[in-house]
Amino acid sequence: AQTVTQSQPEMSVQEAETVTLSCTYDTSESDYYLFWYKQPPSRQMILVIRQEAYKQQNATENRFSVNFQKAAKSFSLKISDSQLGDAAMYFCAYGGGGLTFGKGTHLIIQP
Amino acid sequence: EAEVAQSPRYKITEKSQAVAFWCDPISGHATLYWYRQILGQGPELLVQFQDESVVDDSQLPKDRFSAERLKGVDSTLKIQPAELGDSAMYLCASSMVQGLNTEAFFGQGTRLTVV
Repeated sequence: AQTVTQSQPEMSVQEAETVTLSCTYDTSESDYYLFWYKQPPSRQMILVIRQEAYKQQNATENRFSVNFQKAAKSFSLKISDSQLGDAAMYFCAYGGGGLTFGKGTHLIIQP
Repeated sequence: EAEVAQSPRYKITEKSQAVAFWCDPISGHATLYWYRQILGQGPELLVQFQDESVVDDSQLPKDRFSAERLKGVDSTLKIQPAELGDSAMYLCASSMVQGLNTEAFFGQGTRLTVV
């Protein structure tokens, strides 16, 4: 069975600064996808970024990028130029379809 | 913009009562998921449907939980009898197809409190 671990229950960053959220996972599969989802307070979860395990190039979506280290089974999310609207719970997830989620990181943006 | 609809948004029920949640996925999405999210944790998959068929219900507590998607469109998740430990957010999600890279679209969830 796959497991996903997020070791940072809460992170705080100043507006306009950069923050990195950590995620590690465990799997015996060779082909898989990894995702970062954002869950704002009282709103639905939305996809931030996804990464295919076979692609060596790290995925980027505007201010969001990942550092994918397949051998280390590490998948961190970097948010550049943090904005107040980035405040949310962030979940790392493994798979596709039926996802396995980590426990989440609560991101606080300090104005 | 199309969204996954869930109702009710909030539900308070007494222990041992029956409770049901409804989900209407994005039109055309063949795959539907029910997740349970306990406060402070990530969502856990309860059941996955492909059209009207159950693909994965390995984590569904079948002694008290049931799920159906009779016509392959909307879905109902039922708990009977409810227990205090069932208090959680129940999330429904849908995706166009079933696959490794498929993006799942989530509803706002139903927050269940069992008293």
